[in-house]
Amino acid sequence: DAGVTQSPTHLIKTRGQQVTLRCSPKSGHDTVSWYQQALGQGPQFIFQYYEEEERQRGNFPDRFSGHQFPNYSSELNVNALLLGDSALYLCASSLMSDEQFFGPGTRLTVL
Amino acid sequence: QQQVKQSPQSLIVQKGGISIINCAYENTAFDYFPWYQQFPGKGPALLIAIRPDVSEKKEGRFTISFNKSAKQFSLHIMDSQPGDSATYFCAARNDMRFGAGTRLTVKP
Repeated sequence: DAGVTQSPTHLIKTRGQQVTLRCSPKSGHDTVSWYQQALGQGPQFIFQYYEEEERQRGNFPDRFSGHQFPNYSSELNVNALLLGDSALYLCASSLMSDEQFFGPGTRLTVL
Repeated sequence: QQQVKQSPQSLIVQKGGISIINCAYENTAFDYFPWYQQFPGKGPALLIAIRPDVSEKKEGRFTISFNKSAKQFSLHIMDSQPGDSATYFCAARNDMRFGAGTRLTVKP
């Protein structure tokens, strides 16, 4: 079992650009959650997808959007990037609302 | 967005000692309280979790104590080892809210 995988590992973008991050959940999991972790801080919940629908959303602007595919994999899209969007983006998968397993994250740097 | 307050920010413990990390929450709708361990460059990994109908849960050297009336919970690491040196996060689920983290250093 490969666990939760995320791509890419690192990404550098400039202000105003758009970015897409990808996540493959742990085998058998149907729910994917996305988090933003700034340096030295705890993860902040962005949103959760289940059955290809956004089920819950944290306090993030509409620039942050997502998608879940029929195979349960997911994408996080961020438009109009700001310097403050620089962070580690974590994906976590679970079966329904049970225990979450985190991936290694994607380190996004916005210049 | 932070509704879970975690302390201390950093903690240094001697090998074999007890590490104690505390968290407090506000939202009584939280129904699940996990603790995560994170090493540099890695995603958080679940250590142990508790539900609010239980006051204590122990798994190996890790124990969660939960006080529902005080809206507080804590992680105790017994016989702390240098390999336990990491950042620890408490969390509470309605959506998932994390504390700010505690950087634990266990000195040999």
